[in-house]
Amino acid sequence: EAQVTQNPRYLITVTGKKLTVTCSQNMNHEYMSWYRQDPGLGLRQIYYSMNVEVTDKGDVPEGYKVSRKEKRNFPLILESPSPNQTSLYFCASSGRAGRREQFFGPGTRLTVL
Amino acid sequence: AQKVTQAQTEISVVEKEDVTLDCVYETRDTTYYLFWYKQPPSGELVFLIRRNSFDEQNEISGRYSWNFQKSTSSFNFTITASQVVDSAVYFCALSAGGFKTIFGAGTRLFVKA
Repeated sequence: EAQVTQNPRYLITVTGKKLTVTCSQNMNHEYMSWYRQDPGLGLRQIYYSMNVEVTDKGDVPEGYKVSRKEKRNFPLILESPSPNQTSLYFCASSGRAGRREQFFGPGTRLTVL
Repeated sequence: AQKVTQAQTEISVVEKEDVTLDCVYETRDTTYYLFWYKQPPSGELVFLIRRNSFDEQNEISGRYSWNFQKSTSSFNFTITASQVVDSAVYFCALSAGGFKTIFGAGTRLFVKA
């Protein structure tokens, strides 16, 4: 089954404790992206990647890191989480450049205390 | 700068009513893509439609139809004869100038039986 998976689905942590949210897709998509969803703000793009070792900032990259060492994986790293990073996070992937519709993972709800 | 505006925060209708969700976008790029996504109460994000800037044809898919007008920078979404299962948050999104994607804040649709 074609899908984007994220882990964990739920996470409660404390300020400053490094964490990683994993994202994996099995559709051989070149493009992957991370978004955060906050009430009243829609989805805001954090980082995206056009291919292995190619990443770029979205609109809200501060406080986040990403890496794309393999085509299928695109982990999101919060090195020192803060309460304002409490949010619902979505990973997405997209195939052929001309199409660009994105397939989303199930979301990760993160709470930083 | 690119921007997507969904001015309607919430809409409430009674089943079988028609409803139109508005989307206005801003971009200086001549090549761009517009999307609608649905987020039902279960939380996943589901792709509905994609339009590129060279194709102003309206589209109909069952009870759903989309009206793309470059002259007014709008990409509106109409649900005909709404059903309770249409209750969701609907997002309009714009992709232009590379692979950044901008989402609107979303419109929450309530369809009452």
